Amino acid sequence: QVQLQESGPGLVKPSQTLSLTCSVSGGSISSGDYFWSWIRQPAGKGLECIGRLSTSGTSRNTPSLESRVTISIDMSRNQFSLELTSVTAADSAVYYCARMTALGEGFDLWGQGTLVTVSS
Amino acid sequence: SFELTQPPSVSVSPGQTARLTCSGDNLGDKFACWYQQKPGQSPVLIIYQDNKRPSGLPERFSGSNSGNTATLTIRGTQAMDEADYYCQAWDSSTVVFGGGTKLTVL
Repeated sequence: QVQLQESGPGLVKPSQTLSLTCSVSGGSISSGDYFWSWIRQPAGKGLECIGRLSTSGTSRNTPSLESRVTISIDMSRNQFSLELTSVTAADSAVYYCARMTALGEGFDLWGQGTLVTVSS
Repeated sequence: SFELTQPPSVSVSPGQTARLTCSGDNLGDKFACWYQQKPGQSPVLIIYQDNKRPSGLPERFSGSNSGNTATLTIRGTQAMDEADYYCQAWDSSTVVFGGGTKLTVL
């Protein structure tokens, strides 16, 4: 059974870069052309998709975050990562990694989420 | 930009039918998904491609999508169904989430 687990710093200073990693266990990240994705949720608020990347290289980031987001896949480590630059307090949220099987099929697998706070 | 609108809250009595709506321009021309999120937990996919249920999901959850509105229907609502529900669709392959509806079972 495939599982996802986020990891990374829980506290990031304003203007710095937020870096998170999602480790995939119970299966290979390269088996199947899935979209490996990052989604965030500010405290008490709704979900926001940050972006996604497939092992074949197809990517799509939310336009409002496009200039600050990099998503990458490391198949040798069976993990994928998020980098969000120039963070502000508005980027404080629970960050989830998730898997989407195909457009139209939704995010069928989620990590447990990791809280990131942006503060000096 | 494409937006999905959900009512902030819906209340239903145990055993009754809950209908949660999600509105967006020509939403019926796109695929809609629904997620259930309980406090402190990750979202769970409960409906995809408008009306399909992942394996193992109770049949009392169903979905439809037509015109400008997608609807999640929960028949025989139980106390365990109390949660936040989010709709989600794609706009030019960009993922869009609705703001969420808090379902209260009382």
